[in-house]
Amino acid sequence: AQSVAQPEDQVNVAEGNPLTVKCTYSVSGNPYLFWYVQYPNRGLQFLLKYITGDNLVKGSYGFEAEFNKSQTSFHLKKPSALVSDSALYFCAVRDPYNQGGKLIFGQGTELSVKP
Amino acid sequence: DAGVTQSPTHLIKTRGQQVTLRCSPKSGHDTVSWYQQALGQGPQFIFQYYEEEERQRGNFPDRFSGHQFPNYSSELNVNALLLGDSALYLCASSRLAEHFTDTQYFGPGTRLTVL
Repeated sequence: AQSVAQPEDQVNVAEGNPLTVKCTYSVSGNPYLFWYVQYPNRGLQFLLKYITGDNLVKGSYGFEAEFNKSQTSFHLKKPSALVSDSALYFCAVRDPYNQGGKLIFGQGTELSVKP
Repeated sequence: DAGVTQSPTHLIKTRGQQVTLRCSPKSGHDTVSWYQQALGQGPQFIFQYYEEEERQRGNFPDRFSGHQFPNYSSELNVNALLLGDSALYLCASSRLAEHFTDTQYFGPGTRLTVL
């Protein structure tokens, strides 16, 4: 069955330091991968996606993610964290050839950036 | 350009009642998906509408039904409400793309509380 795992419930980073939010997936076909961010009492905002091509994907607000097929991972990264990056981050996978357009989400990772 | 809008923002119902939630997609989008996000969880796919028809459905009972109108807006109806239906209901819109490569953009959600 298709699934997404975000192994860390919470990630704590000091402002200015690099951050990584981890995501691993399990799908039977070639996956499409997405990252979204959710601020309190808000909907999800799209950050970036991987469909095909270059394994390093650049997105909004300085975020990037690297697709690693052998490790079935799609970790979100940012070279220098800001306090305003503090939010809930969701990884999602789409298995287009077996599951159509639905997104399967992980449980979320709470990112806390301290000054 | 308005993004995805949802109404109402909050709703309180009692067990056994019925509820209707509404969604207007982003301009230029023709596909609407609905997700349920329980507290502390990632969103779960309910169903997707395209050309006024349910195109795909997740693992939700028949109490959950929907509709898409000719202007692409959509409604989510839930009958015989249970306490467990309390959640944030998210609508996402996209423009249908080949091989399901589209990006879903989310609205702010409707917070449903069932007492």
